[in-house]
Amino acid sequence: DGGITQSPKYLFRKEGQNVTLSCEQNLNHDAMYWYRQDPGQGLRLIYYSQIVNDFQKGDIAEGYSVSREKKESFPLTVTSAQKNPTAFYLCASTDRTSLEQYFGPGTRLTVT
Amino acid sequence: GEDVEQSLFLSVREGDSSVINCTYTDSSSTYLYWYKQEPGAGLQLLTYIFSNMDMKQDQRLTVLLNKKDKHLSLRIADTQTGDSAIYFCAESTGGKLIFGQGTELSVKP
Repeated sequence: DGGITQSPKYLFRKEGQNVTLSCEQNLNHDAMYWYRQDPGQGLRLIYYSQIVNDFQKGDIAEGYSVSREKKESFPLTVTSAQKNPTAFYLCASTDRTSLEQYFGPGTRLTVT
Repeated sequence: GEDVEQSLFLSVREGDSSVINCTYTDSSSTYLYWYKQEPGAGLQLLTYIFSNMDMKQDQRLTVLLNKKDKHLSLRIADTQTGDSAIYFCAESTGGKLIFGQGTELSVKP
């Protein structure tokens, strides 16, 4: 089955630690996206990548970093510089001709 | 900058119609979308409308677009308890999607 996988579903970290969230897609999509979701605030774009080895900052990139070394993978690192990292993180992808962004199931990160 | 606004909550009775409203600011948006999110899950595309259309119908879903007022609505006919979820509208701009805050639809039996 084609789709987007995010792992793990739940992640717990201590404050001050960096943590990397995984996002993999086997849809052969060119573009991939990371969003953060907080209650009552909808989705906010963190980073996006339209092609391998290239990515752009979204609206709330501070405290996050990404890489796009392979077409199918777009990991997100939440660094200790992110002031309020506890949130639900969603990864999405789309191809050049599609009108639809396909979403992964999300990772809920809790930092204490 | 671009902004998309939705009311946060809507409650209806099973069998009634639901209407979820959305306003957006970017008049150059090519496509506008409606997504559904069930608890603890990712987003699922319900439908989309091209900016030169006024209306699109897809089974129980009807999308209305008023481009002059930058207003988008999603009507769900014969709403069922399984329709309870958060509904997001989104506009496309510069290769990205800008999402509203989401409307939580509660369907009472």
